[in-house]
Amino acid sequence: EPEVTQTPSHQVTQMGQEVILRCVPISNHLYFYWYRQILGQKVEFLVSFYNNEISEKSEIFDDQFSVERPDGSNFTLKIRSTKLEDSAMYFCASSARWTGLNQPQHFGDGTRLSIL
Amino acid sequence: SQQGEEDPQALSIQEGENATMNCSYKTSINNLQWYRQNSGRGLVHLILIRSNEREKHSGRLRVTLDTSKKSSSLLITASRAADTASYFCATAPYAGGTSYGKLTFGQGTILTVHP
Repeated sequence: EPEVTQTPSHQVTQMGQEVILRCVPISNHLYFYWYRQILGQKVEFLVSFYNNEISEKSEIFDDQFSVERPDGSNFTLKIRSTKLEDSAMYFCASSARWTGLNQPQHFGDGTRLSIL
Repeated sequence: SQQGEEDPQALSIQEGENATMNCSYKTSINNLQWYRQNSGRGLVHLILIRSNEREKHSGRLRVTLDTSKKSSSLLITASRAADTASYFCATAPYAGGTSYGKLTFGQGTILTVHP
């Protein structure tokens, strides 16, 4: 069964450094998402992306965050200047159509980001 | 409570028993989905129920939705040790005819099934 793959599985970064988290969505999916899960807390929506544009973003997704689809297969999340509170598990997801049109989202196994 | 609250927070049962988890939410929805998360892994989609559906089955899973009470339940029948995981409900909000992709997750129920 097709999968969403995320790399790296664990990223350790010094505070203030830039980090790029990478995702390869399912190949025929057109809608992409990033979520994060701080340890012991809920999974939180960050951003949705379609047709090379951000469709929706949460309050968490401030100017320090950006997303990009640099080629036909990758989808990246960049944090420009990391803070301690950015430490979390980051999940990428994709779907064939918008979830509001009753399509499930398929998640990767996540990247655990640790900020020192 | 916030959108997508599950109860109980933790559930411990013996293999073969049924497990029931409940979820409540606050806003109007297009659909409600249930996901499973094994420790240290990603979220696996289990089942999606549309806002105009009341019950749905998939294998050993049964989901109900009561939009008047803004609540849903997930029943896992004849549980197995391999069902041990965290279970989350997630809602796709109704945005007045415009469909978006944001899912709002609950806190989750930790299910432990003892062999």
